[in-house]
Formats: sequence, structure tokens, C-alpha cells
Amino acid sequence: QKEVEQNSGPLSVPEGAIASLNCTYSDRVSQSFFWYRQYSGKSPELIMSIYSNGDKEDGRFTAQLNKASQYVSLLIRDSQPSDSATYLCAVNIKNQAGTALIFGKGTTLSVSS
Amino acid sequence: DAGVIQSPRHEVTEMGQEVTLRCKPISGHNSLFWYRQTMMRGLELLIYFNNNVPIDDSGMPEDRFSAKMPNASFSTLKIQPSEPRDSAVYFCASRKQGRETQYFGPGTRLLVL
Repeated sequence: QKEVEQNSGPLSVPEGAIASLNCTYSDRVSQSFFWYRQYSGKSPELIMSIYSNGDKEDGRFTAQLNKASQYVSLLIRDSQPSDSATYLCAVNIKNQAGTALIFGKGTTLSVSS
Repeated sequence: DAGVIQSPRHEVTEMGQEVTLRCKPISGHNSLFWYRQTMMRGLELLIYFNNNVPIDDSGMPEDRFSAKMPNASFSTLKIQPSEPRDSAVYFCASRKQGRETQYFGPGTRLLVL
């Protein structure tokens, strides 16, 4: 059973701080990794994707990937109250049938002003 | 450009009744995914289609669940008979061929009494 694990939180940070969200996955052959943000009562929306070891930056967001450790993280710099949401880590799984995303249960982030 | 469309947005039904959820993917997308989200189990993949063909239905919980995609612009997820433990938010997502990003619909919030 391929799994994606996240700390459910809540993770609470003050406005302006760095929020660090972590994710581990079990499938060693996975090549594509994604972070989705989900506001309460809304659908998940993609905020970052990463395919290679190292860091990928997009504005205030940085995704980090370490395939040897099977570890993905998301850093949010200068956190804002509008960043308060649940962050879902997703891993692309390939099998004989095709490719699909497996999601973690998500980490809830709360940014206080 | 319209996103993924789901209907109904909310459904309240009684145990034993048939429930049909509907999804219209983004035009030009050839893969369609059905997910179920609960607090306990997170976001679970139920089934997905490529070019209207079911590829992997290993996530479908029981024979009470069935899904169809009669054409490229329409899919249904049916639960018959429904049970209280089926209460969840059901999301549909679509993806364009050659891409890995999935786009989610607004979801259907199902309550089975």
C-alpha cells in the first residue's frame, strides 16, 4: 500500500514567520510531487509541483525534495493570515494501469495576525 | 474557461436511497478522477478514467459504488444503496493528456441519514 504521511497539525505561526510543512512518502519510484492548498469548505488547488531533488521557489513558497530520504517539504515565508488553510501533499504513483495522485491527509496551518 | 463542474453541490438523502453524482471535466482534458474526502481518511482516490475508459477502480469501496463515463464531457458516480458511512465530500478532478496537474471541481457534499 503506497502511502503519503503528513503531520495533521494544527501548525500555528505568527504573521510574518516561516511556516514549514513536511511530508514523507513510501513509493521509492515516485518522480512527481505536489502541494495543494485547501481552504475550509473549498476544493484543493495546486500551489507547487517539484520533480527534481533540491529546492524550487515560487514567490513566498519553496518546495524541497529529497528522494533519498523520501521527503518533501513546503516552506511559506512571510506567512499571512490568508495562508491559513490545509496543505495537502500529493505524490504521483505509476502502476500498470496508469498514473494517479495519492494524497496525504493534510496539515492544517493557522497564521495569527 | 469553465472549470470542472459538479452537481449537485449538496445532497441529503436517506439510507437505502440511490445517489447519483455528476461531473463535467474541463474541455480538452482526457483524464477524470473521482475522490472522496472525510476527516478520518482524508482525500481518497476512488476511480479514474483515461479517454472515457476506467483505468483503476481499486479505490471503489464496495459494489454499491459504480462510475461511468459515457463520453468525454460527462461522468457519474452512483451509490446504490447509500449508507450513512458514505457521507463525505466527493470531488471530481480532470487532467490534460501529457500533464500531471489535476484540477478539482467544487465537490458534492453528501449526507446520508
